[in-house]
Amino acid sequence: GAGVSQSPSNKVTEKGKDVELRCDPISGHTALYWYRQRLGQGLEFLIYFQGNSAPDKSGLPSDRFSAERTGESVSTLTIQRTQQEDSAVYLCASSLASWDEQFFGPGTRLTVL
Amino acid sequence: QKEVEQDPGPLSVPEGAIVSLNCTYSNSAFQYFMWYRQYSRKGPELLMYTYSSGNKEDGRFTAQVDKSSKYISLFIRDSQPSDSATYLCAMSKDNAGNNRKLIWGLGTSLAVNP
Repeated sequence: GAGVSQSPSNKVTEKGKDVELRCDPISGHTALYWYRQRLGQGLEFLIYFQGNSAPDKSGLPSDRFSAERTGESVSTLTIQRTQQEDSAVYLCASSLASWDEQFFGPGTRLTVL
Repeated sequence: QKEVEQDPGPLSVPEGAIVSLNCTYSNSAFQYFMWYRQYSRKGPELLMYTYSSGNKEDGRFTAQVDKSSKYISLFIRDSQPSDSATYLCAMSKDNAGNNRKLIWGLGTSLAVNP
């Protein structure tokens, strides 16, 4: 079946602009995660959605970052007033439940000029 | 000091070689250990998962955990060019809410040359 998909695959933006990244999880997966992967750093957890529960936003690095998820489907990660340090690959993953194997999408490569 | 240390490489080996990839960690509370493989321009995929100490084998791959030394290893036997990827270790203290509690290594880049 279809895996996790993300769009766009690449995004180049200018400093100060807002960007919106999209994730389509595997159908039926109630858990959804966003991560950031910067050069020379390990994966950083950003935010977690589980069904209709309140999201775990503990990994968001600043209030410029926000995310939404509609039910158990699509999620969008929004970065406002982008900075050069936001340049990274943003990965989305989904799993049946929080302790099950997570499946990653291919990521969105964000470059902030 | 980072909680999880992993040499980023790159590591280059000839086809058929035995590859050893390693991570060290500082938190003795870690109990769940994972190895992920990440191909270029793709997301990570789970390769091996072990709980506590010991070995686990799956085909050409063996994961080893030495909690006394706070050291984990992934061995790849008869390496193939298709094994060329970045290998990331990840670990956590507890299973509940496991995925978002994972602490990740930087990843080791491996190239297997035909």
